[in-house]
Amino acid sequence: SQLAEENPWALSVHEGESVTVNCSYKTSITALQWYRQKSGEGPAQLILIRSNEREKRNGRLRATLDTSSQSSSLSITATRCEDTAVYFCAIAGTGGYKVVFGSGTRLLVSP
Amino acid sequence: GGIITQTPKFLIGQEGQKLTLKCQQNFNHDTMYWYRQDSGKGLRLIYYSITENDLQKGDLSEGYDASREKKSSFSLTVTSAQKNEMAVFLCASSTWGGEDEQYFGPGTRLTVL
Repeated sequence: SQLAEENPWALSVHEGESVTVNCSYKTSITALQWYRQKSGEGPAQLILIRSNEREKRNGRLRATLDTSSQSSSLSITATRCEDTAVYFCAIAGTGGYKVVFGSGTRLLVSP
Repeated sequence: GGIITQTPKFLIGQEGQKLTLKCQQNFNHDTMYWYRQDSGKGLRLIYYSITENDLQKGDLSEGYDASREKKSSFSLTVTSAQKNEMAVFLCASSTWGGEDEQYFGPGTRLTVL
């Protein structure tokens, strides 16, 4: 089974609505990153949250981390059509170079 | 700022062929990565390199070779292309390791006939 997994698999909202993507993971981590991948592009980092942090914000984005339940969430407020993308969580363990990505949540924002 | 360039953008090969994908970065980053992304799936790590001439296997290294002859470049070779294989190969770089932001290239889309 996967070390990191986002849910739901897909979401569809209208512009202006808020949306939350969840991530669960199965190992000890030092940091968790959220990435967004638009069609035809490579992923781009949105937020990095370290294991000693509980919340991080970046504009309309808010990430939370709960190490006791091994879960994270990414919330987007006031969604725009250009937020349409696949959203991945990626986890990093102690002293390592490897980052493990989940399979992603597909978000569609329609007018 | 910097950029990651991947060549070619599209690669079409025949079954059994050896195919090479190239990646260049001008961030002056130490660590570089190769990932495979199948349609509708996440990213799986093939190889990574923490410095020039270093190579580390990822979870999906079988069937691939890699080369890091310069700090700025990282190549991936598909040693024997599999018929009907289709995937996007993504190159990334970061300053150091797993807690750093990874910067990705646009990908090379592979099709094997």
